[in-house]
Amino acid sequence: DAGVTQSPTHLIKTRGQQVTLRCSPKSGHDTVSWYQQALGQGPQFIFQYYEEEERQRGNFPDRFSGHQFPNYSSELNVNALLLGDSALYLCASSVGLSVIEAFFGQGTRLTVV
Amino acid sequence: GEDVEQSLFLSVREGDSSVINCTYTDSSSTYLYWYKQEPGAGLQLLTYIFSNMDMKQDQRLTVLLNKKDKHLSLRIADTQTGDSAIYFCAEAGGVSGGGADGLTFGKGTHLIIQP
Repeated sequence: DAGVTQSPTHLIKTRGQQVTLRCSPKSGHDTVSWYQQALGQGPQFIFQYYEEEERQRGNFPDRFSGHQFPNYSSELNVNALLLGDSALYLCASSVGLSVIEAFFGQGTRLTVV
Repeated sequence: GEDVEQSLFLSVREGDSSVINCTYTDSSSTYLYWYKQEPGAGLQLLTYIFSNMDMKQDQRLTVLLNKKDKHLSLRIADTQTGDSAIYFCAEAGGVSGGGADGLTFGKGTHLIIQP
């Protein structure tokens, strides 16, 4: 049983560019949440997708957007990249909007130069 | 807004017990969690406790919750070198355990094991 998978594992982008990160949830899970973890910090909640809609959103600007597909996989898009967007982006999957047993992927390390 | 606080470092000898502490501010927290993160890896869910419980034990792990003081602790018995990692405390509110803003994490406690 594959867990939560994220791609790519590492990414380097230039300031001002756009990036798309991908996440496949654990088998049987239908809810995907995205988190940003800056170096030395705990993860911060970006947003959550369920039934292909954004259900909850943390304190992140509109440059951060997402999508969920019918197979429950999800994308995180970040426009107009800033140096401060450099971080580990974590995807978590769970069942039915609950995060009681949320499983995390290994993350995508984004570096903005 | 809600806040979760943890001390940044804890150093223990191999074989001793480790106790990692956490305080939180959101009195509506329904579930409280402990996650483990090894270098270069994602987060591994270790255990969680519902707010109407005061203790939960799972093999070497014991979670204690003092809801009055908003204090959560994780005790790891017989600490091994493989326990070396960053441990995150997190809280969530609401009936789904998701709260209004997903999970709120502390900054993490680095557990250092001395031989």
